[in-house]
Amino acid sequence: NAGVTQTPKFQVLKTGQSMTLQCAQDMNHEYMSWYRQDPGMGLRLIHYSVGAGITDQGEVPNGYNVSRSTTEDFPLRLLSAAPSQTSVYFCASSREAGRGYTFGSGTRLTVV
Amino acid sequence: GENVEQHPSTLSVQEGDSAVIKCTYSDSASNYFPWYKQELGKRPQLIIDIRSNVGEKKDQRIAVTLNKTAKHFSLHITETQPEDSAVYFCAAVGGSNYKLTFGKGTLLTVNP
Repeated sequence: NAGVTQTPKFQVLKTGQSMTLQCAQDMNHEYMSWYRQDPGMGLRLIHYSVGAGITDQGEVPNGYNVSRSTTEDFPLRLLSAAPSQTSVYFCASSREAGRGYTFGSGTRLTVV
Repeated sequence: GENVEQHPSTLSVQEGDSAVIKCTYSDSASNYFPWYKQELGKRPQLIIDIRSNVGEKKDQRIAVTLNKTAKHFSLHITETQPEDSAVYFCAAVGGSNYKLTFGKGTLLTVNP
């Protein structure tokens, strides 16, 4: 049981490039979310999903897309990277709505 | 949407003292309030949570209290130890959706 797995752990992008942050969980959790963490800002919700095929926006969705084709996977796509997207990104999943989230180990993204 | 305020932003205590972190929330329909601990460079980890039908919950040296009328909840750590040093986040799940909204965090330093 690996829990929540995020890849890559580190990434450097140039402004304007696109990429996908991967998130997978093997706990059969219905609920998954993406957060970004910036100094002094806490964890801010980007997008979330309540099950396969269902996604919704969080607090800071601009510049990001998500999809949920399977229960296990919830990738986050950066369409055209900007320096403001430099952050640490965490994926999380839970069995119940909003409760007991388990976090992945994070992806540290730098956009230059 | 839900707004969670957390105080203080930094807290320094001597080993063996107690530490208290306070949070307020805006959505009166919020019904679940978890606390996460994040050590430097690590992922957030759930340490304790409380549901809206409970006023207090304890787990060894950690306790959480909830005042629904005032819309605030607090984390209490007794007999603090150096390994309690970390950033602590409070959070709330809104009553009308499944979003988990975090406070901005409290950096707790326990001095030996």
